[in-house]
Amino acid sequence: DSGVTQTPKHLITATGQRVTLRCSPRSGDLSVYWYQQSLDQGLQFLIQYYNGEERAKGNILERFSAQQFPDLHSELNLSSLELGDSALYFCASSVDLRSPLHFGNGTRLTGT
Amino acid sequence: QQQVKQSPQSLIVQKGGISIINCAYENTAFDYFPWYQQFPGKGPALLIAIRPDVSEKKEGRFTISFNKSAKQFSLHIMDSQPGDSATYFCAASEDSSYKLIFGSGTRLLVRP
Repeated sequence: DSGVTQTPKHLITATGQRVTLRCSPRSGDLSVYWYQQSLDQGLQFLIQYYNGEERAKGNILERFSAQQFPDLHSELNLSSLELGDSALYFCASSVDLRSPLHFGNGTRLTGT
Repeated sequence: QQQVKQSPQSLIVQKGGISIINCAYENTAFDYFPWYQQFPGKGPALLIAIRPDVSEKKEGRFTISFNKSAKQFSLHIMDSQPGDSATYFCAASEDSSYKLIFGSGTRLLVRP
């Protein structure tokens, strides 16, 4: 067990709806990363936060947003779900910006 | 230039054999090269990692070989076991940012 907790494990939502995925990093980790894993695109980096501040952004669509809260947990939001957003979403955390990433078990998001 | 190309896509090895997975990159600024192992329903887990100042790193049955001039690195699994059956991802990042760029993954099956 990596110590990174993601909820929910599965989420099935109608297209057009707003979706929120939650991540609790390992105790003591200040940095949180979000990745999207799909069959055709593999593991794609979305966004990184460090101690509440956005640090890096990947190919993240405008419909996606994220934040890291003062207690260091993070949320990834999709404003209006599309079928193409169906994928596994992983959160990873690290102690600081120079430490290895530890991944959670992901949230499987399915649009209907 | 940000891509990491991984091969083969899938690999079948007999128990006790050697599994070899290869990755190539273009970005010479990459300075951290980890390998992750992913079992079904789980997130990727860090297996072993290397930096460009060494050509080889060994941890138990797992060895990374790194060729800086060829911009290639590979994972060797010695004495492969059925329990090693998983998907393996190579990755790379620059400036020790840990914003990992992943390869497309190799599905390894070790037959008993």
